[in-house]
Parts: sequence; structure tokens; C-alpha cells
Amino acid sequence: DAKTTQPTSMDCAEGRAANLPCNHSTISGNEYVYWYRQIHSQGPQYIIHGLKNNETNEMASLIITEDRKSSTLILPHATLRDTAVYYCIVRVEAGNMLTFGGGTRLMVKP
Amino acid sequence: DSGVTQTPKHLITATGQRVTLRCSPRSGDLSVYWYQQSLDQGLQFLIQYYNGEERAKGNILERFSAQQFPDLHSELNLSSLELGDSALYFCASSVRDEQFFGPGTRLTVL
Repeated sequence: DAKTTQPTSMDCAEGRAANLPCNHSTISGNEYVYWYRQIHSQGPQYIIHGLKNNETNEMASLIITEDRKSSTLILPHATLRDTAVYYCIVRVEAGNMLTFGGGTRLMVKP
Repeated sequence: DSGVTQTPKHLITATGQRVTLRCSPRSGDLSVYWYQQSLDQGLQFLIQYYNGEERAKGNILERFSAQQFPDLHSELNLSSLELGDSALYFCASSVRDEQFFGPGTRLTVL
């Protein structure tokens, strides 16, 4: 599975959009981009995933560049409860294990 | 609530001992994954079972073993415990794209 690079930490004001970047320059054509988050030692939580088209669900939007070498997770209106470590993961197919990197520690501030 | 349950929540034991961690997947999920999260290693995949059979192995020590039973619950056995085995142990189950994580078992080895 391709390796990902994420900033170590980010801050966001409550109510504003949080944009979390991820670089995956060695991604292969059949690899998906997944985002999970972990709120303070709880089990990681699935957020969203995509292959090449932009995706949106009730939690977030995922924007994948045309060359697929990077992506951005957008939390449209961040709340204090969105404070967590966000992991960007690239993997070939569902049903495989997840390989977690260091993630981005997002701090949402009032 | 992910629907994945893990017991016990906390476990304190001594070096050299053996413990068993239990995981009940979501109803209908055939795949179970075990992950270890320690302060210095982050979240690491240990092992995966699918419908009772071992499917993938990660960084699992020889002192650790796991199995999945006919009712699909899984157990992770850790033996000859060392101080460095102190960590959060997560179980996840999946169907298709999303992995659902349990709340974890916090193991402390003294």
C-alpha cells in the first residue's frame, strides 16, 4: 500500500471549515484513499473514502486531485467534538488491514 | 457505538503472565482484525481472521496468538508478558469498505 504524508498537527476555529491535507504521491491506480479519525484513545472511526471522484457524506467531504497524488478532507463546520487525530490511509481493497501512519492531530478551538 | 464489543476494558497484570482479550464483532461481520496501539509504535495491525480462518498477519509477536470461533467472536492471547506489551488493543470487524472498531482493551503490564 502507498505511503501517506500528513501534517503533524493543525488548529481550526470552531464553526469554520477544517481542511486536512494528505500527500500520497506513489498511489497506484487501484488504491483507494480512506480517512479515519480517533478521538482520545477511543477506537478509530471511519469517515469517508474515495478512488478518484470527490465524495461527500454526512460527516465530511473528500477532494482528490486529478493526478490522485494528494487529497483533502474537509469538515465543513468544525465543532469541539471534532478534535481528534485524523488518519489518511491508502489501500488496495476493502477487506484488507489498515496501515496507520502518524496522522494529523486536529485541535478545534472555541 | 460501533456495535463491536471488547472485554475487559482494563487489564492490569504482571510480567510473565498470560491474558486473553475478547472481541465480539458486529452481527453478520465475518472479518475480525486486531490492532495494537502503544505510545511509541502508534496503531499497528496484528492479525486478521475471516470466518474462522487466519487471513493476514502483521507485526504480531510469537508470544501472541489469536483465534476466531464458530460464533465469530475472537480472542487474542498474550503470553509471557513484558512491560513493552502495555498498550491499547483494538478489535475491528468489517463488511465491505468500512472497519468498525471496538472501544479497546487497555493492558497494563507491571
